[in-house]
Amino acid sequence: LAKTTQPISMDSYEGQEVNITCSHNNIATNDYITWYQQFPSQGPRFIIQGYKTKVTNEVASLFIPADRKSSTLSLPRVSLSDTAVYYCLVGKGNFNKFYFGSGTKLNVKP
Amino acid sequence: EAGVVQSPRYKIIEKKQPVAFWCNPISGHNTLYWYLQNLGQGPELLIRYENEEAVDDSQLPKDRFSAERLKGVDSTLKIQPAELGDSAVYLCASSPGDGRAPGEQFFGPGTRLTVL
Repeated sequence: LAKTTQPISMDSYEGQEVNITCSHNNIATNDYITWYQQFPSQGPRFIIQGYKTKVTNEVASLFIPADRKSSTLSLPRVSLSDTAVYYCLVGKGNFNKFYFGSGTKLNVKP
Repeated sequence: EAGVVQSPRYKIIEKKQPVAFWCNPISGHNTLYWYLQNLGQGPELLIRYENEEAVDDSQLPKDRFSAERLKGVDSTLKIQPAELGDSAVYLCASSPGDGRAPGEQFFGPGTRLTVL
């Protein structure tokens, strides 16, 4: 089960782009990379998932280099409401095993 | 579309008492998960169901924890007897289980358990 390493916390200001990097050196060939967001008193919420290169949706972009040993979640123009904990997960295609880790606490300031 | 429903949202009990949590997943979702989340930590998987079958309960402390998913729809997680260290948030999640967006799980709001 591939584990991940993320910064414990990050600070940003409204309107800035935020990049959160996750290290997953032991990622396996058929592992996907998934990011979740969690607000206080709520369950985690799926943000984005990818296997290689770049994936973009209406919320974020996910950049994965060729060696796939790391990934970067990019949040464009963050707002105060983006203050949350962000988890990077690595798992097999059917994601039967999830390891959330402690996540990155993002604090967006006005 | 209704999300994952959990009840109760909060529960306070004394140690050695039993407690039960209920989860109703999103309609049509075959896979159901129970997680435990301690303060400041990420969720930890307790058990995963595929329909009514518990296919992964390796992390479930079976001496005091039990779970069931009769008829493959809603599920109940029970602790008996509860210990002080069981104080945490218990999260339920579901996923379609059909291979679409394999990493996407839909979480409920959780039940915050306090054991005194």
